Amino acid sequence: QLQLQESGPGLVKPSETPSLTCTVSGGSLTSRDHYWGWIRQSPGKGLEWIGSIDYSGSTYYNPSLKSRVTLSIDTSKNSFSLRLTSVTASDTAVYYCARRSGTYSDKYFDYWGQGTLVTVSS
Amino acid sequence: QSVLTQPPSASGTPGQRVTISCSGSSSNIGRNTVNWYQHLPGAAPKLLIYINDVRPSGVPDRFSGSKSGTSASLAISGLQSEDEANYYCATWDDRLHGWVFGGGTKLTVL
Repeated sequence: QLQLQESGPGLVKPSETPSLTCTVSGGSLTSRDHYWGWIRQSPGKGLEWIGSIDYSGSTYYNPSLKSRVTLSIDTSKNSFSLRLTSVTASDTAVYYCARRSGTYSDKYFDYWGQGTLVTVSS
Repeated sequence: QSVLTQPPSASGTPGQRVTISCSGSSSNIGRNTVNWYQHLPGAAPKLLIYINDVRPSGVPDRFSGSKSGTSASLAISGLQSEDEANYYCATWDDRLHGWVFGGGTKLTVL
């Protein structure tokens, strides 16, 4: 059974650049059939897609976050990471990693991690 | 303000049938299939329905999905107490070039 586990710094200060990592077990990141994504949920709000990456490092990002987000992948460690620059209080959220399956107009996130809370506060 | 519009809340009694709607536009639901997720606080979101009406293995057939034009719906029949959760719709948006989600519907089993 595929499992995803996020890890992150927990508490960060405004203007810092935290990195979060998603470690995948029970499956391989080298599959050409999937993308790997990050989604977040701010307190009291809905889900917001951040970006996705595939096995080759090809990425696409939420246009509203693109200038501050970098995704990377390390297939040797079976993990992928999110780097978010210049964080503010509005970046406080639970960050989820997920696997995206399907193609063209039939795509879906089928496996998700439990999420990791990142709190931005001085 | 979410791109996809869902009612913030829904409720029903055990055994009832409940429907949750998800309204979008021609650039998202109108062109792409819709997925539904069940989310309990502190847990990983769970895929309930994908490609409009397909249930993953292990999801009870009490859950069903449909899509028409720029709207989609999730129906839960034979409501059970364990169905109490937040439900989100999601799809790809061709104009925004990204994934969009509904604001979520909190389902209460009375």
